[in-house]
Amino acid sequence: QLQLQESGPGLVKPSETLSLTCTVSGGSISSSRYYWGWIRQPPGKGLEWIGSIYYSGSTYYNPSLKSRVTISVDTSKNQFSLKLTSVTAADTAVYYCAWSRDYNWFDPWGQGTLVTVSS
Amino acid sequence: QSALTQPASVSGSPGQSITISCTGTSSDVGAYNYVSWYQHHPGKAPKVMIYDVSNRPSGVSDRFSGSKSGNTASLTISGLQAEDEADYYCSSYTSSSSLVFGGGTKLTVL
Repeated sequence: QLQLQESGPGLVKPSETLSLTCTVSGGSISSSRYYWGWIRQPPGKGLEWIGSIYYSGSTYYNPSLKSRVTISVDTSKNQFSLKLTSVTAADTAVYYCAWSRDYNWFDPWGQGTLVTVSS
Repeated sequence: QSALTQPASVSGSPGQSITISCTGTSSDVGAYNYVSWYQHHPGKAPKVMIYDVSNRPSGVSDRFSGSKSGNTASLTISGLQAEDEADYYCSSYTSSSSLVFGGGTKLTVL
């Protein structure tokens, strides 16, 4: 059974880069033609798609975040990662990683990790 | 891209049916049959309940059903149970090859 777990700093300073990793267990991140995604939820708000990466490395980003986002895959560690540059308080959120069979929907998701942007 | 529009809250009594709407545009919900619905209990991982408008993943109760008409998709939950109380989000593929979520609906089981 596929399982995902987010990890990374829980506190990031304004203007710095937020970096998170999603570790995949129960399956190989590169063995099938699937997508891996990042979604976030600011406190008290709804979900926001950040972006997705295909097993081959092709990336797809939310247009509103595209200039600041990089998603990459490390097949040797069975992980994929998120980098978000120049963060502000508006980037404070619970960040989820998730698996997608066909890009359009995600399941399963990780448990999520809270990242707070504050000095 | 703007978030899809969902009612902030809906409620129903055990055993009743409720419907949650999700309104988008001709560039997302209206253009593609790629609407999905997620159940989210706070503090837990979201779970997909419906994908591609009306398909149920294995293991999801048949009390959950989805449909679409024009730019509006709907999630119907029949035979409401206490465990259905959660936040529900819709999502759609868009013409810019991105994904957009709704603002979420809080379901209260009275």
